Amino acid sequence: QQQVKQSPQSLIVQKGGISIINCAYENTAFDYFPWYQQFPGKGPALLIAIRPDVSEKKEGRFTISFNKSAKQFSLHIMDSQPGDSATYFCAASTGNTPLVFGKGTRLSVIA
Amino acid sequence: NAGVTQTPKFQVLKTGQSMTLQCAQDMNHEYMSWYRQDPGMGLRLIHYSVGAGITDQGEVPNGYNVSRSTTEDFPLRLLSAAPSQTSVYFCASRQGDREQYFGPGTRLTVT
Repeated sequence: QQQVKQSPQSLIVQKGGISIINCAYENTAFDYFPWYQQFPGKGPALLIAIRPDVSEKKEGRFTISFNKSAKQFSLHIMDSQPGDSATYFCAASTGNTPLVFGKGTRLSVIA
Repeated sequence: NAGVTQTPKFQVLKTGQSMTLQCAQDMNHEYMSWYRQDPGMGLRLIHYSVGAGITDQGEVPNGYNVSRSTTEDFPLRLLSAAPSQTSVYFCASRQGDREQYFGPGTRLTVT
């Protein structure tokens, strides 16, 4: 049973455009929703995270939108740049439980 | 701080061989975990530990053993390697429900 469903699998965006990646979850006990960024040959690194007491969190060009009633959250990358080309993973957890990851989205930003 | 370190970076094994993937962290994190990453499958949890002397199984534990004798180290043992264990393995650590840090990964090929 996949607890966190991520879409799309791959995404191609023009430089300067907006990249949007979506995730949905089932477990209403989840209370921590991070996004990780992974470059080829490297380990994932935390990009931005949100807790369910807010509906949006912004850090620079990266924004998480959170919809508790729909059990969905999304990552928006504004003004996408070629350097943003990477694989992005959403994840969720509750308390001290392991992070559960989505299957990832491979983003390519083309000039 | 070195963060999370993993050795070796690359390894080739023959079917039936055993080996240990090493993981260490210098951040005094209680929580450590092992994931495997396969194309299209995201990051799947193998085993995790919430502190020295405590381990638990994740989503895909078969064929792997772990132990946690110290806070710093969390080795992953492959008992009898199989081609299905060809993957990239990531170790991670965190403190409580805060940011999880990943190591650089070990790329394992089983022939």
